[in-house]
Amino acid sequence: AQSVSQHNHHVILSEAASLELGCNYSYGGTVNLFWYVQYPGQHLQLLLKYFSGDPLVKGIKGFEAEFIKSKFSFNLRKPSVQWSDTAEYFCAVIPSGGYNKLIFGAGTRLAVHP
Amino acid sequence: KAGVTQTPRYLIKTRGQQVTLSCSPISGHRSVSWYQQTPGQGLQFLFEYFSETQRNKGNFPGRFSGRQFSNSRSEMNVSTLELGDSALYLCASSPPSGSSYNEQFFGPGTRLTVL
Repeated sequence: AQSVSQHNHHVILSEAASLELGCNYSYGGTVNLFWYVQYPGQHLQLLLKYFSGDPLVKGIKGFEAEFIKSKFSFNLRKPSVQWSDTAEYFCAVIPSGGYNKLIFGAGTRLAVHP
Repeated sequence: KAGVTQTPRYLIKTRGQQVTLSCSPISGHRSVSWYQQTPGQGLQFLFEYFSETQRNKGNFPGRFSGRQFSNSRSEMNVSTLELGDSALYLCASSPPSGSSYNEQFFGPGTRLTVL
């Protein structure tokens, strides 16, 4: 079955530290990849997406992600986190032909301390 | 543009009852998807509707059903509620595009508690 693995369930960082959240998926065909974020008390919102083309994609709020096809990975990065980045981050995939069926990872809770 | 709205926001039911949740997508969006979010299972896809037709379905029992109306509003129904159905139910809508998938915009969710 198709699945998404997020390696870290909880991450604690100090402001200005660099962030990398791992995401791996299990699907051999073409995939469409997403990172969503859920800030405390807010809706899920899209950080960035990859459909095709340049494997390094930039999203909102200084986030970026790199698609490495050979590693089935789509890791999220940010060079310098802020307290306002405290949130839960979800990696998700839609396999080709999956219409809008998002398959989510378990999520990573990020806490940034001032 | 108004976002995705879901009603009610909170609901308390007892085992064996049934419940109907409503979702109004962003104006112009024709695809509506439903997800269940629980601490144990995370975010799981329930089903997707597009132009009043169910286009995709997740691995949930037949007690979970949905429909979409001609104005793209969608409802989901859960019959014979079980304790394990307690969850946050999220609705998401997507704009029409040339491809079969697109960014999904999520609503605030309906928090269902089954006692």
